[in-house]
Amino acid sequence: GQQLNQSPQSMFIQEGEDVSMNCTSSSIFNTWLWYKQDPGEGPVLLIALYKAGELTSNGRLTAQFGITRKDSFLNISASIPSDVGIYFCAGRSGGGADGLTFGKGTHLIIQP
Amino acid sequence: DGGITQSPKYLFRKEGQNVTLSCEQNLNHDAMYWYRQDPGQGLRLIYYSQIVNDFQKGDIAEGYSVSREKKESFPLTVTSAQKNPTAFYLCASSISYRDTIYFGEGSWLTVV
Repeated sequence: GQQLNQSPQSMFIQEGEDVSMNCTSSSIFNTWLWYKQDPGEGPVLLIALYKAGELTSNGRLTAQFGITRKDSFLNISASIPSDVGIYFCAGRSGGGADGLTFGKGTHLIIQP
Repeated sequence: DGGITQSPKYLFRKEGQNVTLSCEQNLNHDAMYWYRQDPGQGLRLIYYSQIVNDFQKGDIAEGYSVSREKKESFPLTVTSAQKNPTAFYLCASSISYRDTIYFGEGSWLTVV
């Protein structure tokens, strides 16, 4: 099946720093989604991207749909303690319900 | 409140037992999904349903069964044939199979 390479696997940062993570694929995707998961909870949708080149913001979060349709990045500006968690990218390649592929997640840890 | 409700949050299963995880949504979504999450891993699709009375196997369906008799309900049964069932299980839904997926809060299953 398709695979998404999400990096970095984990990040240790200081509060107030900016964060950047990305996902790449060998396949073309039609949709990119970014989720955040807190420990023991379900993932919550942060940003959805539907068009190549699209740049979308949600507060301090910004995500872009790569022009090649094979990658996406998520930036978080001025990190705060509640940003701690696991961030997942997900890509959809076709119209089928099973077409959503998830990355393995980026674990964000903020040091005081 | 509208949303996806999973129950129970924590479940313990003895060897050889079947257990059923409940998933109910009041979002009027047509499509529903079950994912499995293991520590440090991404989400893997177990089963999905695009519409009531229809469901399809995902990537790791062996040892699991589902039903979709009502639009709002998509229960997952973990059978004794599933040899390594200890995991975090996530139910999700979307307006249609082409749309953004939203998750419930998850259920922890542990074999004792």
